Amino acid sequence: DVKVTQSSRYLVKRTGEKVFLECVQDMDHENMFWYRQDPGLGLRLIYFSYDVKMKEKGDIPEGYSVSREKKERFSLILESASTNQTSMYLCASSMQGAEADTQYFGPGTRLTVL
Amino acid sequence: AQSVAQPEDQVNVAEGNPLTVKCTYSVSGNPYLFWYVQYPNRGLQFLLKYITGDNLVKGSYGFEAEFNKSQTSFHLKKPSALVSDSALYFCAVRPYHYGGSQGNLIFGKGTKLSVKP
Repeated sequence: DVKVTQSSRYLVKRTGEKVFLECVQDMDHENMFWYRQDPGLGLRLIYFSYDVKMKEKGDIPEGYSVSREKKERFSLILESASTNQTSMYLCASSMQGAEADTQYFGPGTRLTVL
Repeated sequence: AQSVAQPEDQVNVAEGNPLTVKCTYSVSGNPYLFWYVQYPNRGLQFLLKYITGDNLVKGSYGFEAEFNKSQTSFHLKKPSALVSDSALYFCAVRPYHYGGSQGNLIFGKGTKLSVKP
């Protein structure tokens, strides 16, 4: 079974803090993704990576950065957290190739910024 | 613009009755279509996908979905709903890309399915 783990289920931070959200997958997937999920808005893609040290912006990258130093790990960084970044953050991974492109999700991190 | 629409925020069904959760899409080229389910306080789980071939796709937990190219729809169905099917359902589409990055999923906003005993 594919396993995608996220470092925290719940996180509370203060405005202006630097926040790190970690994601690890154990299936040697090339692609990794970070989404945020908000009621009524569904999932919105923040950043994705299709190889080590590679990253591409998704639909809402502002206020976020990412790091992928190892294939299995993809980190989301909030340089200076703000209250409008309070959300559920979901990490996902997938293989490359047309037939295998199903995304596997972690359990999510619910971040509250006070 | 490429998009996915789930026209219903919530669907209410009695246990044992058939259920349908609707999805329509707008993408260029031949799409790959997906359904995911999210149980309370959990991440998303893959249910089924359509790539090519038979328009009726069968997935996990007795769910199936029908691809209709002329109506650009991919509705999720189940003949007999269970209370345990109550969850948030997301339709997603992956536009096919030639080369370059692999392309990403575009998700709908989700439909909350509530199955009552």
